[in-house]
Amino acid sequence: GQSLEQPSEVTAVEGAIVQINCTYQTSGFYGLSWYQQHDGGAPTFLSYNALDGLEETGRFSSFLSRSDSYGYLLLQELQMKDSASYFCAVRERSNDYKLSFGAGTTVTVRA
Amino acid sequence: DAGITQSPRHKVTETGTPVTLRCHQTENHRYMYWYRQDPGHGLRLIHYSYGVKDTDKGEVSDGYSVSRSKTEDFLLTLESATSSQTSVYFCAISVGHSAELNYGYTFGSGTRLTVV
Repeated sequence: GQSLEQPSEVTAVEGAIVQINCTYQTSGFYGLSWYQQHDGGAPTFLSYNALDGLEETGRFSSFLSRSDSYGYLLLQELQMKDSASYFCAVRERSNDYKLSFGAGTTVTVRA
Repeated sequence: DAGITQSPRHKVTETGTPVTLRCHQTENHRYMYWYRQDPGHGLRLIHYSYGVKDTDKGEVSDGYSVSRSKTEDFLLTLESATSSQTSVYFCAISVGHSAELNYGYTFGSGTRLTVV
């Protein structure tokens, strides 16, 4: 099975940098994903790390270290619209592309 | 963008009644999933489908059944609704994947179900 741990809440000011850590215990997986969900909305896909290292997509970057069973999402130049919940998810090593999600981190951006 | 719609968006039902939620997609994706979302638990997989008439259980499947008679429709049924099934239900499709690449899930807008 899968177990993912991430902080429940993070608060930061506009323009700041936030790092959301995700540690996992899994018997095997293909990669680590991140999703964003605004209040009342659906989760939307942000990034996917299949290999160790950093993936950059605009202001957001995601990192994976398989040897440490650890990853993080880095939000830079925070904007008010980044206030949302962020979920890490592992894609299981199987043929059916199932994802197991962490409980989510609520990011609050203050002016 | 993948077209995926859920219906209804909101539903209030009584304990003990059956309820069916519908997920409809327009782009012929093979893999479809039903998740429930509750505070403090993130998204938990209920059932999933890997083709017409091919379904399997997720981690929280007790009290739920699914059917997929057409590629585009994936139905979730609560056989006899209980208050513990009050939740937000999301359908998702897997869009584009290999071991190295993953274009992620696209989620529907969700169904907010209240069992009273």
